[in-house]
Amino acid sequence: DQQVKQNSPSLSVQEGRISILNCDYTNSMFDYFLWYKKYPAEGPTFLISISSIKDKNEDGRFTVFLNKSAKHLSLHIVPSQPGDSAVYFCAASGRSRGSTLGRLYFGRGTQLTVWP
Amino acid sequence: GAVVSQHPSWVICKSGTSVKIECRSLDFQATTMFWYRQFPKQSLMLMATSNEGSKATYEQGVEKDKFLINHASLTLSTLTVTSAHPEDSSFYICSASGWTGNTFGSGTRLTVV
Repeated sequence: DQQVKQNSPSLSVQEGRISILNCDYTNSMFDYFLWYKKYPAEGPTFLISISSIKDKNEDGRFTVFLNKSAKHLSLHIVPSQPGDSAVYFCAASGRSRGSTLGRLYFGRGTQLTVWP
Repeated sequence: GAVVSQHPSWVICKSGTSVKIECRSLDFQATTMFWYRQFPKQSLMLMATSNEGSKATYEQGVEKDKFLINHASLTLSTLTVTSAHPEDSSFYICSASGWTGNTFGSGTRLTVV
């Protein structure tokens, strides 16, 4: 049962434009969300996160938006650069009873390609 | 920042042999270590969770006798794939949970021939 879903396996964007990566989740107990960037044959690297008490978090070119009522979050990258080309994973964690603190649930990832 | 060193980065082994993957947290104590597996074009799937000094908790469908996890100290956890078969070929990643949150290792590409 996929509790975190990234329905777009790929996204292609021209350099300088905005990249928007989407993520949906089903478990209402999730209260912390993260985005990871991953290159082939490497482990994921943390990009940005957001707590459920916020609806927006910004870090340089990266902004994450959270819509709790829709159980939806998105990552905006602007302006997009060729070096941003990678697989982006959305992840979620929760502190519900019985859950393991720190355990992450991942989406399947979206391959972002930024072309010049 | 927090660093997790994972070795080896890739390994090829013969069917029936065992492979050990090691993860070390270099500058922090990892109270919990998560082991994930990723098949091509799939998400990272949690295999097991281990806390230092205690037995690992395995996710449903993961054979504990096949994937042996040892978390002997707050800085070292190992995953041993015993009697490996071609279907075990995958990308294995550890994640150490500490005061900085989750830090991932660089992953191990296992190919069983």
